[in-house]
Amino acid sequence: AQSVTQLDSHVSVSEGTPVLLRCNYSSSYSPSLFWYVQHPNKGLQLLLKYTSAATLVKGINGFEAEFKKSETSFHLTKPSAHMSDAAEYFCVVSFKAAGNKLTFGGGTRVLVKP
Amino acid sequence: EAGVAQSPRYKIIEKRQSVAFWCNPISGHATLYWYQQILGQGPKLLIQFQNNGVVDDSQLPKDRFSAERLKGVDSTLKIQPAKLEDSAVYLCASSSFTFRQGGNTEAFFGQGTRLTVV
Repeated sequence: AQSVTQLDSHVSVSEGTPVLLRCNYSSSYSPSLFWYVQHPNKGLQLLLKYTSAATLVKGINGFEAEFKKSETSFHLTKPSAHMSDAAEYFCVVSFKAAGNKLTFGGGTRVLVKP
Repeated sequence: EAGVAQSPRYKIIEKRQSVAFWCNPISGHATLYWYQQILGQGPKLLIQFQNNGVVDDSQLPKDRFSAERLKGVDSTLKIQPAKLEDSAVYLCASSSFTFRQGGNTEAFFGQGTRLTVV
């Protein structure tokens, strides 16, 4: 069975400092991995995706993530946080061999302090 | 390109009543998902369709929840009778992925329907 663990339920950063959101997955197949962002009362927006090409993936709004197969991790980073980055972030895994069912982590809420 | 459309945006009902949600996916997307997101949790898959066939409904509480996608395009999710614990946001998503042709695996989400059961 596929599963995703987001290691921090809350992360607090100061504006202009780096952001790190941690994600580990478990699976028996080659995964597709995604990060989605959810602003209050808004829909889920795709930040970036990994689908077996380059292991370092660049997304929108300055975010990037690195796929590390040996560590089964897909951590999300941003060099400099902006106030508009305050939101909930979800790490998601899917497997084509399993019909592309998307399994979500529990989410990480990011607070950005001025 | 139009996104995933859902209605209504908000719904308040009493327990034991019934409710239905509607979703229209992105044009041409074969795969459609319904997720339940309880406050403070990540979305949980209720049911996944490919065209008008069910791919996965293992977490759908079938004694009270039902869903259909009769023509392989739009879909409805129904709850009858509703319980207090059904209060959540119900998210619909679609993707172009199919078993036969593969395709893009990312899903696009609608704004969701916020259900409150009182």
